[in-house]
Amino acid sequence: AQSVTQLGSHVSVSEGALVLLRCNYSSSVPPYLFWYVQYPNQGLQLLLKYTSAATLVKGINGFEAEFKKSETSFHLTKPSAHMSDAAEYFCAVSPHDINDYKLSFGAGTTVTVRA
Amino acid sequence: ETGVTQTPRHLVMGMTNKKSLKCEQHLGHNAMYWYKQSAKKPLELMFVYSLEERVENNSVPSRFSPECPNSSHLFLHLHTLQPEDSALYLCASRISSRWNTGELFFGEGSRLTVL
Repeated sequence: AQSVTQLGSHVSVSEGALVLLRCNYSSSVPPYLFWYVQYPNQGLQLLLKYTSAATLVKGINGFEAEFKKSETSFHLTKPSAHMSDAAEYFCAVSPHDINDYKLSFGAGTTVTVRA
Repeated sequence: ETGVTQTPRHLVMGMTNKKSLKCEQHLGHNAMYWYKQSAKKPLELMFVYSLEERVENNSVPSRFSPECPNSSHLFLHLHTLQPEDSALYLCASRISSRWNTGELFFGEGSRLTVL
């Protein structure tokens, strides 16, 4: 079984400031990890994914995330926030198991960007 | 454009109506999902189909009835819904295989309002 915890349901940052969204996971087997972004009235869009290759993963729109097995974390960062980054962000985990169809999602973190 | 198309994007229905949500994927995926997204609540997995066979039915009330006639199409039939069923219904698909990273590709959702 696997689960995801996102720390902080809401994050507010100034334009140009660092964005840091926290995600911790639990999984009984090596996981795949994902970050998704959702803009208002839209579906979820994949930002980046960890698949047991490099621990530092770069995604779209300048985001990156680092897999830390010792901390069971997969935090998402962006060095400089842009107004267009205002959205909801979801962390998700999936096991390396063809017979397990579930991706477990965190509760989401809403990001607002102040001008 | 994610390759997953949902129709209608918006639906308003009374509690005695019967309606259907449609999802079509053009990605050659072999697994399709229905999720429910309500305000202030985590994503809820409803149904999963793999190779057109239902492999997950996550304790969903019988007023929701899924149908997967082929690997490209997924329906959610709705009847005698309740106001608390108002939500964004998201369809997703992915490749399910030993070699795949398992990320989901989402449609833009169908916003359902039950009066």
